[in-house]
Amino acid sequence: AQKITQTQPGMFVQEKEAVTLDCTYDTSDQSYGLFWYKQPSSGEMIFLIYQGSYDEQNATEGRYSLNFQKARKSANLVISASQLGDSAMYFCAMRDVNSGGSNYKLTFGKGTLLTVNP
Amino acid sequence: NAGVTQTPKFRVLKTGQSMTLLCAQDMNHEYMYWYRQDPGMGLRLIHYSVGEGTTAKGEVPDGYNVSRLKKQNFLLGLESAAPSQTSVYFCASSYLAEDYEQYFGPGTRLTVT
Repeated sequence: AQKITQTQPGMFVQEKEAVTLDCTYDTSDQSYGLFWYKQPSSGEMIFLIYQGSYDEQNATEGRYSLNFQKARKSANLVISASQLGDSAMYFCAMRDVNSGGSNYKLTFGKGTLLTVNP
Repeated sequence: NAGVTQTPKFRVLKTGQSMTLLCAQDMNHEYMYWYRQDPGMGLRLIHYSVGEGTTAKGEVPDGYNVSRLKKQNFLLGLESAAPSQTSVYFCASSYLAEDYEQYFGPGTRLTVT
């Protein structure tokens, strides 16, 4: 079964600095996808970035980038130039493709609470 | 586009009562999902649907039932609520292709006393 591990329950960063949120995963699938979501205190889930297992380049979306190290099974989120509005819970998730290949469920990690200090 | 909407936003139930949570999406997505979020647990999949008329069990299905009679709607039912079902419930939907993210609704906060 797929498993996502986020080892940092909480992280602190100074405004304008970069921060890395860790995510490791465990899967026996050759084809999989990794997602990062942001959940601010208001509660909604906001999609940030996606990385496919066969993508040769690390994904980037504005200030977000994904440091994908396939051999280490890690998919860390890097936020550059942190802003106060980045304070939120961040979840790493992996797409689960069952043996039939027809289901695309997400398995979530437990999250990392990021606090950006002014 | 309203995206994914959930009704109600908040609800308090007494143990043993029943209720239905409604999820609606206007993006013509094939896949729909129900998750629950508990403190320190992340999101866990309850049930999901890969198309109209189909449903399947997720990680934590006990005590819940679902129906997908229309493509745009996915209902989550609690037949006899228990305090352990106090949680925040999120509905999500996605396109058929695996590369696409899931779009989430705003959540329903349910308290069972």
